[in-house]
Amino acid sequence: NAGVTQTPKFRVLKTGQSMTLLCAQDMNHEYMYWYRQDPGMGLRLIHYSVGEGTTAKGEVPDGYNVSRLKKQNFLLGLESAAPSQTSVYFCASSYGIGVSASDTQYFGPGTRLTVL
Amino acid sequence: DAKTTQPPSMDCAEGRAANLPCNHSTISGNEYVYWYRQIHSQGPQYIIHGLKNNETNEMASLIITEDRKSSTLILPHATLRDTAVYYCIVRVGGSQGNLIFGKGTKLSVKP
Repeated sequence: NAGVTQTPKFRVLKTGQSMTLLCAQDMNHEYMYWYRQDPGMGLRLIHYSVGEGTTAKGEVPDGYNVSRLKKQNFLLGLESAAPSQTSVYFCASSYGIGVSASDTQYFGPGTRLTVL
Repeated sequence: DAKTTQPPSMDCAEGRAANLPCNHSTISGNEYVYWYRQIHSQGPQYIIHGLKNNETNEMASLIITEDRKSSTLILPHATLRDTAVYYCIVRVGGSQGNLIFGKGTKLSVKP
């Protein structure tokens, strides 16, 4: 049981390049999330998904797109990277149904992205 | 979700109990208190949560005051590996979506 995994761990892009970050979870969770964390700041939600085939905007969605074609995977895309998107990106998942104990979010190890 | 207030930093001697306070004076009746922590450069980690009763698990204990306006996370025997930023979060139980992380408390466990 690997939990939540993220690929890649590190990446350097040039302004204008595109890339996709992959998040995978093996806990059969319904909900998945993408956060970004900038130095000295808390995590901010980019997009999230309440189930396969669905996505929704979070607090800072501009410049990002997401897809949830399979329940276990949640992809975060940057179509045209900008230096302001330099950050650490964390994926999380939660069971998502019913009682309070099931809304615990489990986080991946993060992807460190630098845009030059 | 109710706001929380935590001290920015705390120190604790290795092997001693670490008591991390959190104020949440505007908490509503259906809101739970959650604690997560983030060890340097890693993803946040769930620790414990509770509604009104005190809770204990293998990682920590959570003490919630009777009026529910404040709580304390207790790490009974802190180790160097417990050095991290600890976040107190209040939200409606069973709700999904955004976890609002404030600035948290930076706990430094010292030998």
